[in-house]
Amino acid sequence: GAVVSQHPSRVICKSGTSVKIECRSLDFQATTMFWYRQFPKQSLMLMATSNEGSKATYEQGVEKDKFLINHASLTLSTLTVTSAHPEDSSFYICSASRDRTDTQYFGPGTRLTVL
Amino acid sequence: QKEVEQDPGPLSVPEGAIVSLNCTYSNSAFQYFMWYRQYSRKGPELLMYTYSSGNKEDGRFTAQVDKSSKYISLFIRDSQPSDSATYLCAMSAFDSGYSTLTFGKGTMLLVSP
Repeated sequence: GAVVSQHPSRVICKSGTSVKIECRSLDFQATTMFWYRQFPKQSLMLMATSNEGSKATYEQGVEKDKFLINHASLTLSTLTVTSAHPEDSSFYICSASRDRTDTQYFGPGTRLTVL
Repeated sequence: QKEVEQDPGPLSVPEGAIVSLNCTYSNSAFQYFMWYRQYSRKGPELLMYTYSSGNKEDGRFTAQVDKSSKYISLFIRDSQPSDSATYLCAMSAFDSGYSTLTFGKGTMLLVSP
């Protein structure tokens, strides 16, 4: 149990376009979902935390207008990178948690390449 | 000083060796400690989750926490080539279900046959 999926696994887009990444908890309901970004040989950096039905909480330095997060249901959260630029190229990973007593279960990640 | 320090490696060992991976931290508020394994281009997979100081064993893996020294370790016995991956330590001040995790950079482990 506790499987998290992400779609797509890899995306290449042109500079200036927007990209949507989906994160789904397949066999459990996730009250909280987290979005991370990981650059090569770097640790995972938390971008934002989202609770179902409410606005996401962004970490300092993360532009909320650029990285739009929607957590519309207990099994789905989406991250939209708007007007993507080459410096947004990274590995984006989501995690999901059932409740405060649970750990975070990570998705397989989405590799974004902006040309 | 970063909150969590972890040697990036790579750490190369022969098959069957005992591996020791370590992290130090500076934030005394951290109470929950985790070790994740991450294969190349994949998401992290939880290996161990500990709360108190001391040892916790699960198969070939042993997690050790020393809160007084702000030092955690992961030991892998009888290492296998399939253990080759990057190992990330992570910690949080509260139950990680609602709390942000702070990750180390990860240590790349290479186990040769």
